[in-house]
Amino acid sequence: AQKVTQAQTEISVVEKEDVTLDCVYETRDTTYYLFWYKQPPSGELVFLIRRNSFDEQNEISGRYSWNFQKSTSSFNFTITASQVVDSAVYFCALSETSGTYKYIFGTGTRLKVLA
Amino acid sequence: SAVISQKPSRDICQRGTSLTIQCQVDSQVTMMFWYRQQPGQSLTLIATANQGSEATYESGFVIDKFPISRPNLTFSTLTVSNMSPEDSSIYLCSVLSASSYEQYFGPGTRLTVT
Repeated sequence: AQKVTQAQTEISVVEKEDVTLDCVYETRDTTYYLFWYKQPPSGELVFLIRRNSFDEQNEISGRYSWNFQKSTSSFNFTITASQVVDSAVYFCALSETSGTYKYIFGTGTRLKVLA
Repeated sequence: SAVISQKPSRDICQRGTSLTIQCQVDSQVTMMFWYRQQPGQSLTLIATANQGSEATYESGFVIDKFPISRPNLTFSTLTVSNMSPEDSSIYLCSVLSASSYEQYFGPGTRLTVT
């Protein structure tokens, strides 16, 4: 069965600190997608990144970076020099690549960035 | 990415009544999804709605409670029937991008049942 675990329920950091959000997944599929979404207090889910299971290259987008390691089934998300606007709930999700494309969401990590 | 709107954005309803939530997309999409997010919780998939076929419901969700319509490739509705306070949640629709396999979400409907 597919499963996504975000063990960190809530993290608080002071502005300008770096923070890493952990995501561990389980799947029997050899091909799959991994995603990160941001849910600010307004409630809307904002797409951040998709990673294909065949692509283990790390990705950087501005202050955001992602580390995908198949060997440990992890897809971690790092925010560098955090800002108050980064305060949100962050969800990691897993989907198969054929058929239904359903998402399995993790439980989310609430990030609080303090000024 | 698609632009998705939902109506209503929020509502307060009495137990025993029903509410229909609309989801409108600005482009044609094959797959749409309906999720429920209970307070402080993650998202749980209710059903997948494909145009021209019956919705496919996840375990724990039934058509009598959450009937779904998908009359065309840009629109869907979810009805929450015979509501109870336990149905108080945010309901979100999403669409699947056929090119990137990413899901894009609507702004959600915040439902409170009293």
